[in-house]
Amino acid sequence: NAGVTQTPKFQVLKTGQSMTLQCAQDMNHEYMSWYRQDPGMGLRLIHYSVGAGITDQGEVPNGYNVSRSTTEDFPLRLLSAAPSQTSVYFCASSFGGQYPGNTIYFGEGSWLTVV
Amino acid sequence: AQKITQTQPGMFVQEKEAVTLDCTYDTSDPSYGLFWYKQPSSGEMIFLIYQGSYDQQNATEGRYSLNFQKARKSANLVISASQLGDSAMYFCAMREGLTGNQFYFGTGTSLTVIP
Repeated sequence: NAGVTQTPKFQVLKTGQSMTLQCAQDMNHEYMSWYRQDPGMGLRLIHYSVGAGITDQGEVPNGYNVSRSTTEDFPLRLLSAAPSQTSVYFCASSFGGQYPGNTIYFGEGSWLTVV
Repeated sequence: AQKITQTQPGMFVQEKEAVTLDCTYDTSDPSYGLFWYKQPSSGEMIFLIYQGSYDQQNATEGRYSLNFQKARKSANLVISASQLGDSAMYFCAMREGLTGNQFYFGTGTSLTVIP
């Protein structure tokens, strides 16, 4: 029962460093996304993908890069970390299609601190 | 304009009492889904309940019910018989369209259950 798995759970980065947050799901979901959660801001969409080879920007895409080479994996890359990217990051996935009650399944979150 | 508005940053409720968490939404799409998620202090996001825009009856899931008032564009979560384990952040979310995959989240309400 893996669901959505994201790693690492905790990471401290220095300003200017790059890193990749890994995300994998084993539910054959078409749709995957990355959110960041900041106090008082709720969850904001960074990037999303509706299938392998297709990605698009969300509400706060600057400073982040994604790719979707397989259905299962959706890594998030921080190109040059900044203190403003200190946040909790959630990977999520869901079925595409026409079932209105499709919920979104979340990973356990990755706590990132940029110093 | 905000798609999802949660106006209660923090709420307190006595154990065994009922509590209502407010959520209003904004969309011009006649087809949409409304979701509530719970985030305990451990950080994971837990799906609680779903309401579709065409559903005639209010959704219920155990002690959770969704008070759906379509004309007022509100989707309040009611938790009956509160338990200490209900202390958490609660997020309201909306998915526009029957096939849409983007979820819009509110800023959350922190619920504390008092013994």
